[in-house]
Amino acid sequence: AQSVTQLDSHVSVSEGTPVLLRCNYSSSYSPSLFWYVQHPNKGLQLLLKYTSAATLVKGINGFEAEFKKSETSFHLTKPSAHMSDAAEYFCVVSNSGGYQKVTFGIGTKLQVIP
Amino acid sequence: SQTIHQWPATLVQPVGSPLSLECTVEGTSNPNLYWYRQAAGRGLQLLFYSVGIGQISSEVPQNLSASRPQDRQFILSSKKLLLSDSGFYLCAWSDRLAVYNEQFFGPGTRLTVL
Repeated sequence: AQSVTQLDSHVSVSEGTPVLLRCNYSSSYSPSLFWYVQHPNKGLQLLLKYTSAATLVKGINGFEAEFKKSETSFHLTKPSAHMSDAAEYFCVVSNSGGYQKVTFGIGTKLQVIP
Repeated sequence: SQTIHQWPATLVQPVGSPLSLECTVEGTSNPNLYWYRQAAGRGLQLLFYSVGIGQISSEVPQNLSASRPQDRQFILSSKKLLLSDSGFYLCAWSDRLAVYNEQFFGPGTRLTVL
């Protein structure tokens, strides 16, 4: 069984300040982990993915995430928020190989205040 | 490169009317295909997935059905829509042969049932 918990449904930051979106997971397998971003009325876009090659993963638009097995966490960070970062972010866990069993988190809405 | 299309982009339908949403993928062969529904404040719910032509698996019992008449075509249908069918419907594909296979999402269809 696998699950993913996004610890905050809403996060509000000022433009230019750091962003932290938290995600914890559980998985019976060696998981693949992903972060997706969704702007209003749009599809989901992949930000970054962890596939066991490196624990610190860099993605698009200056985002990065660190896989911490001991904490079962995969938090998303960005040093300086931009207005265009305002969107909903989804943490996703997937079993590796075979049919891809994918579990989405409930999502975190990021508000960026000018 | 691969692209995924969904149409229509928006749809307003009366209760009891039929539904047909279409999704097509270009630039890849034998993809895994998925239908998700996103209701307000409820994250993404996997409705159906398909690993090949004519092979459909349903994740949750519901008023909807899916079909895959061609390798890169995935259709979501209903004979009689319910109010609860309103939501944002997302189609996605993944590469069946990739070990760490992230999903790629279409632009979505906003369905409003009145």
